Amino acid sequence: AQSVTQLGSHVSVSEGALVLLRCNYSSSVPPYLFWYVQYPNQGLQLLLKYTTGATLVKGINGFEAEFKKSETSFHLTKPSAHMSDAAEYFCAVSLPLGGSQGNLIFGKGTKLSVKP
Amino acid sequence: NAGVTQTPKFRILKIGQSMTLQCAQDMNHNYMYWYRQDPGMGLKLIYYSVGAGITDKGEVPNGYNVSRSTTEDFPLRLELAAPSQTSVYFCASSYSIKETQYFGPGTRLLVL
Repeated sequence: AQSVTQLGSHVSVSEGALVLLRCNYSSSVPPYLFWYVQYPNQGLQLLLKYTTGATLVKGINGFEAEFKKSETSFHLTKPSAHMSDAAEYFCAVSLPLGGSQGNLIFGKGTKLSVKP
Repeated sequence: NAGVTQTPKFRILKIGQSMTLQCAQDMNHNYMYWYRQDPGMGLKLIYYSVGAGITDKGEVPNGYNVSRSTTEDFPLRLELAAPSQTSVYFCASSYSIKETQYFGPGTRLLVL
């Protein structure tokens, strides 16, 4: 069965430090990969996505992620954390469902805290 | 352009009551989805639709029903509310399976 694993339900970094949020997936077919961010009491919004092409993907707010097929990973990074990055981050995989229709499988989320 | 809108924002139900969660999008997206989010569990797909008149079950459909009579609207129906349905419900829409899903602000439901 397809699944998404996010290592670490909580990650804490200091302001200005590197942010690394880990995501591994299992899939029998090449997936589409997404990172979404959720701020408190809000819906999810897309940070970045990988469908095909270049494996290093740049997103909004200085985030980027690299698709590594051999490691089945799609880790999210940001060189320098900002206080406004404090939120919950979800990795998701889009896989075929019922033919050509898609379905997002979400990881359980990683809550990022940024210390001043 | 309002994106994806959901009503109500918050609701308290008694066990056995029924209600409809409303979702509308103005982006002319064919694909629409209903998710529930429980603490520490990520989001689980309840139902989805690939166009008006076409719906299908997701991972956790029991206790829910949907309909899609127009491109814009995708209501979620709870017929007999149970405490296990206490959750935050998100509606989303997208143009296709590999395009971004746009999420509404959510409906927080408490069943007592």
